[in-house]
Amino acid sequence: SAVISQKPSRDICQRGTSLTIQCQVDSQVTMMFWYRQQPGQSLTLIATANQGSEATYESGFVIDKFPISRPNLTFSTLTVSNMSPEDSSIYLCSVREGYEQYFGPGTRLTVT
Amino acid sequence: QKEVEQNSGPLSVPEGAIASLNCTYSDRGSQSFFWYRQYSGKSPELIMSIYSNGDKEDGRFTAQLNKASQYVSLLIRDSQPSDSATYLCAGNAGGTSYGKLTFGQGTILTVHP
Repeated sequence: SAVISQKPSRDICQRGTSLTIQCQVDSQVTMMFWYRQQPGQSLTLIATANQGSEATYESGFVIDKFPISRPNLTFSTLTVSNMSPEDSSIYLCSVREGYEQYFGPGTRLTVT
Repeated sequence: QKEVEQNSGPLSVPEGAIASLNCTYSDRGSQSFFWYRQYSGKSPELIMSIYSNGDKEDGRFTAQLNKASQYVSLLIRDSQPSDSATYLCAGNAGGTSYGKLTFGQGTILTVHP
């Protein structure tokens, strides 16, 4: 399976600031996704990152809050904007290979 | 709302026993199902995928799918303490939602020596 890396692995941020998370894949992939895992919870899909076009957001997630870029088939970024403590979560990049999806190591974000 | 529901857990089994994890789903359009294992502080790791009715075995793991009953299960034979983790069931929607995974809430499994 593809090797997925994310940066940063963790960060502590102040409310009102923004953080950009990077996801790098070692091979070209068509479908890339961003998920959120809140403390003690399961995974929730934020958006599908589309190469060369705007991301497709799930209900409850908006572009102003979670802008996503996908400049090519191996890289994507997710920005968490104007952060509040409720944004404290693990953010996970995921790629689809065939019928299966694999996850990056995640970015653990704490907002104070 | 398309949902995936897992049996509530937590589940505790002795070492060497069979652990049985269950999942139901509401979206009849779902085509494929996955079991992920997530250790504390780590990201989910894909351990089994299943696409057609019946059983699929891989080592100590067996996934079962029954589309008529909208039911997916994972059996872990000869459970080991290293199997202690949260197990996440996920369904892959069909149609216009193709490729998107919907996750259950997870079942915490503890295997005690």
